[in-house]
Amino acid sequence: EVQLVDSGGGLVQPGGSLRLSCAASGFTISNYDMHWVRQTTGKGLEWVSGMDTAGGTYYPGSVQGRFTFSREIAKNSLYLQMNSLRVGDTAVYYCVRAKAGSHYYDYWGQGTLVTVSS
Amino acid sequence: QSALTQPASVSGSPGQSITISCTGTSSDIGGYNYVSWYQQHPGQAPKLMIYEVSNRPSGVSDRFSGSKSGNTASLTISGLQAEDEADYYCSSYRNSITLVVFGGGTKLTVL
Repeated sequence: EVQLVDSGGGLVQPGGSLRLSCAASGFTISNYDMHWVRQTTGKGLEWVSGMDTAGGTYYPGSVQGRFTFSREIAKNSLYLQMNSLRVGDTAVYYCVRAKAGSHYYDYWGQGTLVTVSS
Repeated sequence: QSALTQPASVSGSPGQSITISCTGTSSDIGGYNYVSWYQQHPGQAPKLMIYEVSNRPSGVSDRFSGSKSGNTASLTISGLQAEDEADYYCSSYRNSITLVVFGGGTKLTVL
């Protein structure tokens, strides 16, 4: 059974850092494109980073230079290092899976809440 | 505001059919057949319902169907059931930089 378990969220002050984790089971992460998608109350869903099967990473302008997506294949896990956090980064962050080269997300983690506030 | 435009809410009675629209541009919906639809119940993660405009993943009821015309995509739910009450989000591929954009979501109420 495919499963994604997100963790690492919490309360952080503006300018601070947080590292999210995603533990995958039931499939091998290096055989799929993997992404992080966040959901805010006001702005809805937003794609925030992606990694292809070769390990190449992609970011939208809103997080480029602040967020870093990495993976540890031996642990079948993914990580999102978030630095220089802003109030606007407050959201539920989901780890999601996509078939290689596709643009739809067939499995989602349960999400982890990140709150950036002073 | 979101990149794709959806109605904030729609409603229907059990057994009826409803359609949710999702309007974008020629740079996203109109340019590619990469439209997806997600269903989200309160407190849960989104669930893929339709991919690549009109394909249903295994296990999704055939009461759900998708289509596209020009820059607008549509999700139709036939034979409405109480369990269909949820938020629905559309998404589309846009480009290699932005990758995927989403609609703001539509709240479906089953009367």
